[in-house]
Amino acid sequence: EAGVVQSPRYKIIEKKQPVAFWCNPISGHNTLYWYLQNLGQGPELLIRYENEEAVDDSQLPKDRFSAERLKGVDSTLKIQPAELGDSAVYLCASSLGSASGRPFDEQFFGPGTRLTVL
Amino acid sequence: RKEVEQDPGPFNVPEGATVAFNCTYSNSASQSFFWYRQDCRKEPKLLMSVYSSGNEDGRFTAQLNRASQYISLLIRDSKLSDSATYLCVVTMNTGGFKTIFGAGTRLFVKA
Repeated sequence: EAGVVQSPRYKIIEKKQPVAFWCNPISGHNTLYWYLQNLGQGPELLIRYENEEAVDDSQLPKDRFSAERLKGVDSTLKIQPAELGDSAVYLCASSLGSASGRPFDEQFFGPGTRLTVL
Repeated sequence: RKEVEQDPGPFNVPEGATVAFNCTYSNSASQSFFWYRQDCRKEPKLLMSVYSSGNEDGRFTAQLNRASQYISLLIRDSKLSDSATYLCVVTMNTGGFKTIFGAGTRLFVKA
């Protein structure tokens, strides 16, 4: 079974440019997460989807970040315009969500997109 | 105070040693607890869930102490392949679902 797929794996852009990341979760996983991870830190949640609904976007910097999961499957995270401080690894994760029957269940992570803003 | 705190390490131990990590959490409403492992430049992967009664998986033992609000991970007979960062994860429902990752504890096992 395929895991969580993310693309691109690496992205280098200049500041003020836009950038987009794509994620395809594990088939059947209702919950999708976008995280940001800085070096030496744990992942920090940006947004969580239950199917196509964003149920927690409280940590998403909405002035420059946006996300969508239109059909409740794959998702796109966009930054426009990018700033130097956005350089980090952007991780996508998925879990069964309500289909698991458990309130909290295992999250499976994709390999991440390493963003460098120059 | 951070909601989930871990000793960043690094812990440098010889092969065969026993090593233990602790993780403290601040919110008493925390409900579920996990240990994830993250290899260098790789994604985090679930190592084990942590149950109230404590649980063991081979050389790994996880324990939860709700009274003192900490969880622990014990690794016995360390292997070179155990070298990684161990992330403590706490989830809670405080009017909304929330998952918090600790910053991780780095472990180096040397021959």
